[in-house]
Amino acid sequence: GQQVMQIPQYQHVQEGEDFTTYCNSSTTLSNIQWYKQRPGGHPVFLIQLVKSGEVKKQKRLTFQFGEAKKNSSLHITATQTTDVGTYFCAAYSSASKIIFGSGTRLSIRP
Amino acid sequence: KAGVTQTPRYLIKTRGQQVTLSCSPISGHRSVSWYQQTPGQGLQFLFEYFSETQRNKGNFPGRFSGRQFSNSRSEMNVSTLELGDSALYLCASSLEGRASNGQTQYFGPGTRLLVL
Repeated sequence: GQQVMQIPQYQHVQEGEDFTTYCNSSTTLSNIQWYKQRPGGHPVFLIQLVKSGEVKKQKRLTFQFGEAKKNSSLHITATQTTDVGTYFCAAYSSASKIIFGSGTRLSIRP
Repeated sequence: KAGVTQTPRYLIKTRGQQVTLSCSPISGHRSVSWYQQTPGQGLQFLFEYFSETQRNKGNFPGRFSGRQFSNSRSEMNVSTLELGDSALYLCASSLEGRASNGQTQYFGPGTRLLVL
């Protein structure tokens, strides 16, 4: 069946450093979404990517969808303490199945 | 506009009991999805309802069931609780259409269930 691998599981960075999390699917995806969950909170929608090779930016966040629509990445430039949380990808296949990545927990040293 | 609300927020049950969790979607949203979140398994899709009909279902045993009412409010029920059912149960609503087609989902705060 479809699998979605998200790496790394944890990332601990110095404030101001960059951060990247990756999602890789075993099958071609129709689209992919990214969510952020603060400690003790619930997932909050960040962005949706639909097109092959799509790149979207939100301030210091850059989201990419691979050319083959099997992988995606979220990159944060110059992390801030407010970026702390777990970042999830949510992958949608043509079979209308939703699979969340296991998440990458980002912690930051001030 | 009020967000997704879930009740109760916390619940303690014992093995063998059953539990019903409630979710009220954002006003105007017709699709409601349920997820189970655990440290070991992450976020797993339970089921999705739209216009009182279950449209998509994850890989959970039949002990997990749900329903949606005409006002889009949804409930999920877990019967014969097991220790492994301890988790955060999240409900998410979207405007219309299939959550599985990429509709933006708005999550509620969740119900934290502890099974002893």
